[in-house]
Amino acid sequence: KAGVTQTPRYLIKTRGQQVTLSCSPISGHRSVSWYQQTPGQGLQFLFEYFSETQRNKGNFPGRFSGRQFSNSRSEMNVSTLELGDSALYLCASSLTGSEGNTIYFGEGSWLTVV
Amino acid sequence: AQSVTQLDSQVPVFEEAPVELRCNYSSSVSVYLFWYVQYPNQGLQLLLKYLSGSTLVKGINGFEAEFNKSQTSFHLRKPSVHISDTAEYFCAVSKIQGAQKLVFGQGTRLTINP
Repeated sequence: KAGVTQTPRYLIKTRGQQVTLSCSPISGHRSVSWYQQTPGQGLQFLFEYFSETQRNKGNFPGRFSGRQFSNSRSEMNVSTLELGDSALYLCASSLTGSEGNTIYFGEGSWLTVV
Repeated sequence: AQSVTQLDSQVPVFEEAPVELRCNYSSSVSVYLFWYVQYPNQGLQLLLKYLSGSTLVKGINGFEAEFNKSQTSFHLRKPSVHISDTAEYFCAVSKIQGAQKLVFGQGTRLTINP
């Protein structure tokens, strides 16, 4: 069974640009969530989607957005990139995103903003 | 709101020695508890989780953790570590009610010396 797949794995963007990251959840999983990992702030929750609806959102500015498609695949977008957006972005999936379902993580997308 | 404190940012131990990684949490509501491991340049892998029942939870790779409600702790232990256990370990909680949103501690870097 394939795990959570994230693309691209590595990317470099210039300040002011925008970026879109993609995530394919484990087959059958309907909940997809995104986390940002930085050395200074650690692992922080961005948002969670279930059946194409955002159910939960972390404390990030509106420049960070996401969506989920009918096949449960998800994308997150960051507009007007800032240097501080450089981070590892982790996508995770679970069956329903509730009741203690195990949350499985992908290997992440490394974003460097220059 | 929930918060997680991992009491040690770095723990060096010798191979085949026992190890304990400490985790305390704060929450006004009931939570599920998790330990994840992150190997270099990889995503997070679930080691074990506590949902309910026995307070001693066994996980993968010989790790176990004990939930102590009165002390709001969920310490991770392994009786004998191997070089391959070198990694960063994260304790996390999520509310029982509603969509899962993991709140992570800052991580503990476990270094195994030969």
